[in-house]
Amino acid sequence: DAGVTQSPTHLIKTRGQHVTLRCSPISGHKSVSWYQQVLGQGPQFIFQYYEKEERGRGNFPDRFSARQFPNYSSELNVNALLLGDSALYLCASSLGPGDYGYTFGSGTRLTVV
Amino acid sequence: AQSVTQLDSHVSVSEGTPVLLRCNYSSSYSPSLFWYVQHPNKGLQLLLKYTSAATLVKGINGFEAEFKKSETSFHLTKPSAHMSDAAEYFCVVTRFSGNTPLVFGKGTRLSVIA
Repeated sequence: DAGVTQSPTHLIKTRGQHVTLRCSPISGHKSVSWYQQVLGQGPQFIFQYYEKEERGRGNFPDRFSARQFPNYSSELNVNALLLGDSALYLCASSLGPGDYGYTFGSGTRLTVV
Repeated sequence: AQSVTQLDSHVSVSEGTPVLLRCNYSSSYSPSLFWYVQHPNKGLQLLLKYTSAATLVKGINGFEAEFKKSETSFHLTKPSAHMSDAAEYFCVVTRFSGNTPLVFGKGTRLSVIA
């Protein structure tokens, strides 16, 4: 059974551009969470989605948005990129809210130049 | 509010010697606690979790952790380090039985010397 799949694995963007990151959860998992991991720090929570609805949002600006599709895959969008958005973006899937069986993907490494 | 403090940013041990990675937590609620490991350029892998059952939790690869409520600690230990244990380790807290996100510590980098 496939694990959590994230694409692309690496990405280089210019300041001011927009980026879309994608995540496919484990089969049967209905919840997807997004985390940002800046170099040298622990991951920080951005969003959680369950059954296509936002269930939680971290302390991130409105430039960050996400959505979940009927097949439970998810996209994270970031507008007007800043240098500080350079990070590893991790997606985690779980059965649902309150389920602690999170499985993380390998992440998308975003570099903003 | 919840937070985690990993007391050491870097720990270095010799192969075959014990490993101790220290973690203190703060939580307004009954906590669930986790340890995750991250190898270079890889995602996060769950080592073990505490969710209000036995206070001594055994995980994968010989790791274990003990939940001590009086000390608000959840230290990770392993009797004998292997070279393959070299990685970044994260202590994580969340609210037990609540739909709250994972709160990560800043991480401890474990180096294993041959």
